[in-house]
Amino acid sequence: NAGVTQTPKFRVLKTGQSMTLLCAQDMNHEYMYWYRQDPGMGLRLIHYSVGEGTTAKGEVPDGYNVSRLKKQNFLLGLESAAPSQTSVYFCASSTRTSGEGADTQYFGPGTRLTVL
Amino acid sequence: ILNVEQSPQSLHVQEGDSTNFTCSFPSSNFYALHWYRWETAKSPEALFVMTLNGDEKKKGRISATLNTKEGYSYLYIKGSQPEDSATYLCASQVGSSNTGKLIFGQGTTLQVKP
Repeated sequence: NAGVTQTPKFRVLKTGQSMTLLCAQDMNHEYMYWYRQDPGMGLRLIHYSVGEGTTAKGEVPDGYNVSRLKKQNFLLGLESAAPSQTSVYFCASSTRTSGEGADTQYFGPGTRLTVL
Repeated sequence: ILNVEQSPQSLHVQEGDSTNFTCSFPSSNFYALHWYRWETAKSPEALFVMTLNGDEKKKGRISATLNTKEGYSYLYIKGSQPEDSATYLCASQVGSSNTGKLIFGQGTTLQVKP
């Protein structure tokens, strides 16, 4: 059981280049999230999805787009990379639980992106 | 945007010391409070999820309490060990939460010296 996987693990881009980060989960989770982690800033939500075919903006969505064409995959795109997007990107997934109904998120290993 | 604040930002203790840190969150529209443990070069892993005022959860030497009325949670580590060194994140889940969204604090980084 792989859990949440992310590809690639590392990437270096030049300003203006585009790329797509792939997140995949094999837990049949409904919800998926993309975060960025910067020093002193904690985890900040970029975009999220509550189901296949649906996406929504998080706290810091500008400069990013996402797609959830399949339930198990959540793609994060950078159309024109900027140095301010240098960060570590984490994907997470969760499912609605019965009982307390609080949703533990399961995180991928992260993608370290540098934009020169 | 809700503010989730954690203190202290970092902490250095000796092996065997007990320690605690604080997470404060807006008490209005509260749904759940999560604690995660984040080791260097790894991804965050869930420790606890708490929903009820007065909740107390325990896992080995680590425990957490929750006060939803005043908007704070404490994480305690009894007899710290070097393997406890990590960043501890708390996150607030708000509203009816049919999205599962979490608002994370900045974390408390714990370093336990042998």
